[in-house]
Amino acid sequence: DAGVTQSPTHLIKTRGQQVTLRCSPISGHKSVSWYQQVLGQGPQFIFQYYEKEERGRGNFPDRFSARQFPNYSSELNVNALLLGDSALYLCASSVLAGVGEQYFGPGTRLTVT
Amino acid sequence: QKEVEQDPGPLSVPEGAIVSLNCTYSNSAFQYFMWYRQYSRKGPELLMYTYSSGNKEDGRFTAQVDKSSKYISLFIRDSQPSDSATYLCAMSGSGNTPLVFGKGTRLSVIA
Repeated sequence: DAGVTQSPTHLIKTRGQQVTLRCSPISGHKSVSWYQQVLGQGPQFIFQYYEKEERGRGNFPDRFSARQFPNYSSELNVNALLLGDSALYLCASSVLAGVGEQYFGPGTRLTVT
Repeated sequence: QKEVEQDPGPLSVPEGAIVSLNCTYSNSAFQYFMWYRQYSRKGPELLMYTYSSGNKEDGRFTAQVDKSSKYISLFIRDSQPSDSATYLCAMSGSGNTPLVFGKGTRLSVIA
């Protein structure tokens, strides 16, 4: 079975631009969560979606938004990019929301110049 | 005080050593405890998942949770150079509460 997949692998953007990151969960998993991992830190929670509904949001500005599609894949959008948005963006999937193991994808490395 | 504290290391041990990795936490609502392994520039890989207090063993790995002390541990027996990675502890409460991670401990196992 395929694990969590994310695209693109790497991305370089300029300050002020917008970016869209994509995630496909493990087959049968209905919940997707997004995390931001800055170098040298643990992942920090951004959003959780379950059955296309937002179930949780971390302490991130409104420039960050996400959605989940009927096939349970998800997109994370970040507007008006700042240098501080440079990080590894991780997607995790789980069968249910809130409980159970979360399995992470390889991440998208975003560099903002 | 951060919700989850983890010594970032680095920790360097000889091959074959027993490794002990630890995290402390302050939120008594945490009930689910996980350990992830993360190789450089890769996504975290789930190693151990435990609920509430107690021990769990899987091969060379043993996870311990002591909720009374708010302290969790991961032991790695017969450590191998391939165990060299960053180890992240993570925990969550019940319901729709997200994972809260430690900073990660960087481990090097020297052949």
